[in-house]
This record gives sequence, C-alpha cells and structure tokens, in this order.
Amino acid sequence: GQNIDQPTEMTATEGAIVQINCTYQTSGFNGLFWYQQHAGEAPTFLSYNVLDGLEEKGRFSSFLSRSKGYSYLLLKELQMKDSASYLCAVMDSNYQLIWGAGTKLIIKP
Amino acid sequence: IAGITQAPTSQILAAGRRMTLRCTQDMRHNAMYWYRQDLGLGLRLIHYSNTAGTTGKGEVPDGYSVSRANTDDFPLTLASAVPSQTSVYFCASSEDRETGELFFGEGSRLTVL
Repeated sequence: GQNIDQPTEMTATEGAIVQINCTYQTSGFNGLFWYQQHAGEAPTFLSYNVLDGLEEKGRFSSFLSRSKGYSYLLLKELQMKDSASYLCAVMDSNYQLIWGAGTKLIIKP
Repeated sequence: IAGITQAPTSQILAAGRRMTLRCTQDMRHNAMYWYRQDLGLGLRLIHYSNTAGTTGKGEVPDGYSVSRANTDDFPLTLASAVPSQTSVYFCASSEDRETGELFFGEGSRLTVL
C-alpha cells in the first residue's frame, strides 16, 4: 500500500530552526509537496521537489532523497505565525496526491 | 481575486437528509477535487474531475456524488447523510491533473446528527 509518515506533533522555540521529516512509500513518484495549514483554515502550497536536493524559498527549505523515500521541511528563524500543521504529500504514478496526516508545529516564545 | 469559493461554510444536518456542497473557481483550472479532512487522518480524496464533463472516484467515494457541467463548478452531493460523514470538506483545483500545486477553498464544516 501507499504510505506517508510524518511526526504528529513538534515543539520549537521562536527564532530557532526546526526540521520536519517525511518518509514515503508510493506506487511511483511524480513529485513531493509541502503544504501549510493554520488551524481552522485551508491548506496552502509551500514547496515542490521532484529532483534530489534542496529547494530554498526564503526562511523555508525542502529537501528530497528519492532513493531513501525521504524529505524534510526546514523552517529557519521561527516566528509565532509559523505555528500550523505541515502536510507532506507525494504524487504517485497515476498523478494522484497521497497525503500524510500532517505535523502540528507548536512555537513557544 | 476570489480563487475558490465554497458554500456553505458550516452546516448541521439530520441523518437521512440530502445535502449539496457548492464549489466554484474562477481560475479556469482544468482539474478539481473534493477532499474530506478528519482529525488524525490525512486529506482523503472523495471525487475528482480532470476536465469539464468528466469525473472520477477517489479513495472514499461511497455515499457521495459529483458533477462537472462546466469548468467553474464542481458540486458535491450527499444523497442520504450519515453521521460518519461528519467532517470538514475541502474543494480544491489545479491547472491540470499532473500539477500538484492545489488551491483550496476555505472548507465546509458538516455535522450530521
């Protein structure tokens, strides 16, 4: 079966760095996506990786290793507004998105 | 710029009643999707449409139906609601089915009693 694993919850301190991991087993691979979802709101797109390596976008970076079935989202200089759930999703060979359950990130002052 | 509009935002419904959740997008996207989101679970795909006039079943289609008469509208109908359909429903769209950058509506919180 297809599976996406990510930690349920993480806590970090304002101004620090946090890494949210995602491992996946899917039927084929057509890209890995990270979304941010604030409580009570809709998910919003953060990043996309299809090749191995690091993609940087401001304070957020996303890394992919296809051979290991592994990705991480790195958030730097954490701000209170980064408190949210972060969803990892993989597009399989049928172009269907398989979603992880999300990681709730709690930022403490 | 509206993006995707869902209605209603919230609804309480008696079991056995019929309910239609509306979804409209103004981005001229080809692909549209309906997901449900339940605590502790990832987004689960109910139905999708790759282009106007076509629809397909997702992971959890039972008890739901959709139609795609035109590019902009993609309503989701619960023919006879059951309590297990209590959830938050998100409509989303993307330029095409190969694009994983989805744009989501604000969600419809449905409670079936």
